[in-house]
Amino acid sequence: EILLTQSPATLSLSPGERATLSCRASQSISSYLGWYQKKPGQAPRLLIYDASNRATGIPARFSGSGSGTDFILTISNLEPEDFAVYFCQQRGSWPLTFGGGTKVEIK
Amino acid sequence: EVQLVESGGDLVQPGGSLRLSCAASGFGFSIYGMGWVRQAPGKGLEWVSYITNQMTTFYADSVKGRFTISRDNAKNSLYLQMNSLRAEDTAVYHCARGYCGGGCEAGRYFDYWGHGILVTVSS
Repeated sequence: EILLTQSPATLSLSPGERATLSCRASQSISSYLGWYQKKPGQAPRLLIYDASNRATGIPARFSGSGSGTDFILTISNLEPEDFAVYFCQQRGSWPLTFGGGTKVEIK
Repeated sequence: EVQLVESGGDLVQPGGSLRLSCAASGFGFSIYGMGWVRQAPGKGLEWVSYITNQMTTFYADSVKGRFTISRDNAKNSLYLQMNSLRAEDTAVYHCARGYCGGGCEAGRYFDYWGHGILVTVSS
């Protein structure tokens, strides 16, 4: 099973700032990594797939990078609606696994 | 508009059984793989199970042998039969549509999700 470790656990930032979230895989997953946004009481939302591709309707301020074992989600110019929990997920091999999440909170 | 609506959640005793359903609409259900993902209270997301459009199934180790995923394409419905339930199965269960991303040679992401249904396992 591929373990995904996200850091930091919590990121305290102000609107307009840049958020940088990390996801590290326990073994290489090529570019098979996605990112989701999750808000309380809502369904998760796919933001990025295959490391760097934005999903349909996702604003350009969300960007992803990385390959192999190290991946980054960047949210430039944080909007009020971006404060949420973010999860990474790998599809490189079964079983599918998620990271533990990074909470982006308002400072 | 793609819609996924879960039902069947309940309070059940340890060792009991429950069947979740997911009604899909707004897309060609039969050509997509579908999955279940859960979130325990205060915890992160955990993938549970997946069924391809060819009926191939995959399970997380934590539920293998206890849960069974199935689908009825005529009814545009996805199911999760959960047996031998444990307290640690308590969670909100989401139904989600599989998405291949750049190619279907590996696993899947999930591009559309239901809002989820609560399953509570407690005596």
